[in-house]
Amino acid sequence: GIQVEQSPPDLILQEGANSTLRCNFSDSVNNLQWFHQNPWGQLINLFYIPSGTKQNGRLSATTVATERYSLLYISSSQTTDSGVYFCAARNTNAGKSTFGDGTTLTVKP
Amino acid sequence: DGGITQSPKYLFRKEGQNVTLSCEQNLNHDAMYWYRQDPGQGLRLIYYSQIVNDFQKGDIAEGYSVSREKKESFPLTVTSAQKNPTAFYLCASRGQGLNTEAFFGQGTRLTVV
Repeated sequence: GIQVEQSPPDLILQEGANSTLRCNFSDSVNNLQWFHQNPWGQLINLFYIPSGTKQNGRLSATTVATERYSLLYISSSQTTDSGVYFCAARNTNAGKSTFGDGTTLTVKP
Repeated sequence: DGGITQSPKYLFRKEGQNVTLSCEQNLNHDAMYWYRQDPGQGLRLIYYSQIVNDFQKGDIAEGYSVSREKKESFPLTVTSAQKNPTAFYLCASRGQGLNTEAFFGQGTRLTVV
């Protein structure tokens, strides 16, 4: 099946800094999502982005499907951005997505 | 409100007992999923169902069982055969087809003592 790798595994920032999280996948994808896991464990949908670029406030994402990667940008980070960011990719209609191992982001005040 | 509801939020059980975790959705989604997450780890797929009365094993199905008798409901039973049942369990659902987003419930934290 498809392999998904996220980098870096851990990231520590000062409040106000910008960051880029990366998601590489081993095969072409038809479906890619970014999630933020909050301190209570819930996964919050950030972006559904199988290709192209989207922006939502301080967050934006770009997927270059032909080169098999997706990037999540966080600008002017805040302490509430802390948590684990997961990407999940899917390339068949069999119903399963594959999750990366996540990037743990810590934003310090 | 539309969404996915998992209950209970916290669950404690004695070793050797079966326990059933609830997952209900009112999004009219066809597909539903159960994931397990251990501390500091990613999500691992236990079971999934794409349609009522049908389900498939995921990557770590041993020691778990599911049913899908109704579109809205996909309960997960953690049996006594599961060697390390203490974990955080997440349920998700999505509409049918490739171009659909998955949405997650709030999770159930199971502790077996």
